[in-house]
Amino acid sequence: GESVGLHLPTLSVQEGDNSIINCAYSNSASDYFIWYKQESGKGPQFIIDIRSNMDKRQGQRVTVLLNKTVKHLSLQIAATQPGDSAVYFCAENAGGTSYGKLTFGQGTILTVHP
Amino acid sequence: DAGITQSPRHKVTETGTPVTLRCHQTENHRYMYWYRQDPGHGLRLIHYSYGVKDTDKGEVSDGYSVSRSKTEDFLLTLESATSSQTSVYFCAISESVGSRTGELFFGEGSRLTVL
Repeated sequence: GESVGLHLPTLSVQEGDNSIINCAYSNSASDYFIWYKQESGKGPQFIIDIRSNMDKRQGQRVTVLLNKTVKHLSLQIAATQPGDSAVYFCAENAGGTSYGKLTFGQGTILTVHP
Repeated sequence: DAGITQSPRHKVTETGTPVTLRCHQTENHRYMYWYRQDPGHGLRLIHYSYGVKDTDKGEVSDGYSVSRSKTEDFLLTLESATSSQTSVYFCAISESVGSRTGELFFGEGSRLTVL
């Protein structure tokens, strides 16, 4: 089946730097994309989402970019902090009757050094 | 935090024994899901429910069954546990139509080890 994947399994940055986490998807029918953050021993937590009719969406310190031409999704974290250290997952949803049935990528481990 | 409680949080069992994991929510959300998380596979959907007594299979449903007799409870049962079902199981909930599609609220997870 189609799945969502990640280019980089680990990312190590210095506190204050900007972080970019990448994700490739293969299901051209997906119309909704989400980024989740998972801290050790906890469940995933929603960060930001974007619909396929958009190419950019900004939140607090985070920006998601969507490039449908090359089926690529990225999460940018500005001024990365030690509290941002976690595993980040991208996920896709084909919408419609697939409501809530997310397909997750394998995750990227982000480590922020003080 | 969304009111989701999973129990038990940790369980060790032997191959061939039945296991039931419980997910309890206090948010009155219509949709409930069971995912499993394994290294190298991310999170994969096992079963989901779109209402009381309304359930359907996900990506990796073989060996699992679910039941939802009340809005607030969603049970995942392994009739005869196998070592391949050793995993961390996450329950998730989402609101009905009108909310952001795909925003799932996850529980803290249940770690199951099958010896």
